[in-house]
Amino acid sequence: EVQLVESGGGLVQPGGSLRLSCAASGFSFTSYSLNWMRQAPGKGLEWISYISRGGETTYYADSVKGRFTISRDNAKNSLFLQMDSLRGEDTAVYYCDHAGTWGQGTLVTVSS
Amino acid sequence: EIVLTQSPGTLSLSPGERATLSCRASQSVNTNYLAWYQQKPGQTPRLLISGASSRATGIPDRFSGSGSGTDFTLTISRLEPEDFAVYYCQKHGSFPYTFGQGTKLEIK
Repeated sequence: EVQLVESGGGLVQPGGSLRLSCAASGFSFTSYSLNWMRQAPGKGLEWISYISRGGETTYYADSVKGRFTISRDNAKNSLFLQMDSLRGEDTAVYYCDHAGTWGQGTLVTVSS
Repeated sequence: EIVLTQSPGTLSLSPGERATLSCRASQSVNTNYLAWYQQKPGQTPRLLISGASSRATGIPDRFSGSGSGTDFTLTISRLEPEDFAVYYCQKHGSFPYTFGQGTKLEIK
């Protein structure tokens, strides 16, 4: 069974940083690209970043480009999202996604 | 960027009725890369349909997807009480991935 467990969310001040993690199991981690998605409170779904199987190719939504960095550790079956220069509009539940299966999410709140 | 527009915004129906949800794209979408998700309050989105018409594992056959080009449809043949939720279409395969704004399916 595919399992994705996100962690690292919390309350951070505007301009601050957070690093999210996603621990994956139940599938061949190195065989799949992965994504981060998010959902602001009461709002719809938003794709924010993609990383290829080997980590050499990444893409970002315009809303986070230049501020967020996606990475992965294939030896540890883990996905990461480094979030810098955080803004209020980044407040959301962040999910990692494997081929349409999402984790339970981790809440990031950006507020002073 | 391909914009996905879902209609209606809210659909009020009764259990047992048929639901038809629309997703219209601003440009043609490869059918291999059109998905539908269901989200219930407080829950993670669940993949229902991939490739425009293929049901994901464990999805009941009352859910079906169809369409091509710029017009896609999710149909629920006979609504069960647990089907009342928000439904999103998603385009992937090329970047940026995008979602529709969602259709809320509520009990009439």
